[in-house]
Amino acid sequence: GQNIDQPTEMTATEGAIVQINCTYQTSGFNGLFWYQQHAGEAPTFLSYNVLDGLEEKGRFSSFLSRSKGYSYLLLKELQMKDSASYLCAVMDSNYQLIWGAGTKLIIKP
Amino acid sequence: GAVVSQHPSWVICKSGTSVKIECRSLDFQATTMFWYRQFPKQSLMLMATSNEGSKATYEQGVEKDKFLINHASLTLSTLTVTSAHPEDSSFYICSARTLGTGDYNEQFFGPGTRLTVL
Repeated sequence: GQNIDQPTEMTATEGAIVQINCTYQTSGFNGLFWYQQHAGEAPTFLSYNVLDGLEEKGRFSSFLSRSKGYSYLLLKELQMKDSASYLCAVMDSNYQLIWGAGTKLIIKP
Repeated sequence: GAVVSQHPSWVICKSGTSVKIECRSLDFQATTMFWYRQFPKQSLMLMATSNEGSKATYEQGVEKDKFLINHASLTLSTLTVTSAHPEDSSFYICSARTLGTGDYNEQFFGPGTRLTVL
């Protein structure tokens, strides 16, 4: 079966760095996405990785290792507005997105 | 990025009535649209995938006679919740994709529709 695992909840301090991990087992691989979702809102796109390595975009970076079925989202200089759920999703061989349950990130002052 | 709209944003209805939710891609043609449902504190659950001009493909456990999907054009898909019941109360989100957009097949999400069935 297809499976995406990520921690349920994480807590971090404003100004700090946090890393959210995601492991996956899917039928084929056409890329891994990270989305941010604030409560009561639809997900918004953060990053896409299809090759191994680190993709940096401002305060957010995403890493992928296809051989290990592993990715992480790194958030630097945390701000209170970063409090949200972070969803890891893998596009399988049928170009369907397989979603993780999401990681709720709580930022404390 | 591409814009997807949903209407209505909020709907409250009585049990037994039907509710139609529209999903529109505003500045691109969506070859495929997806309908998701999300219950509180849970992840997105894919309900069905629809390609323009063909019947929707429903995920296991989703009643196709209860959740009617029409993807009549490349910019519009509708989800009709028929004979809604309180357990259908949820956050319904659509997304749209067109193959070949950018370097990857990103899905663009609508803002979601909050359905409350009394």
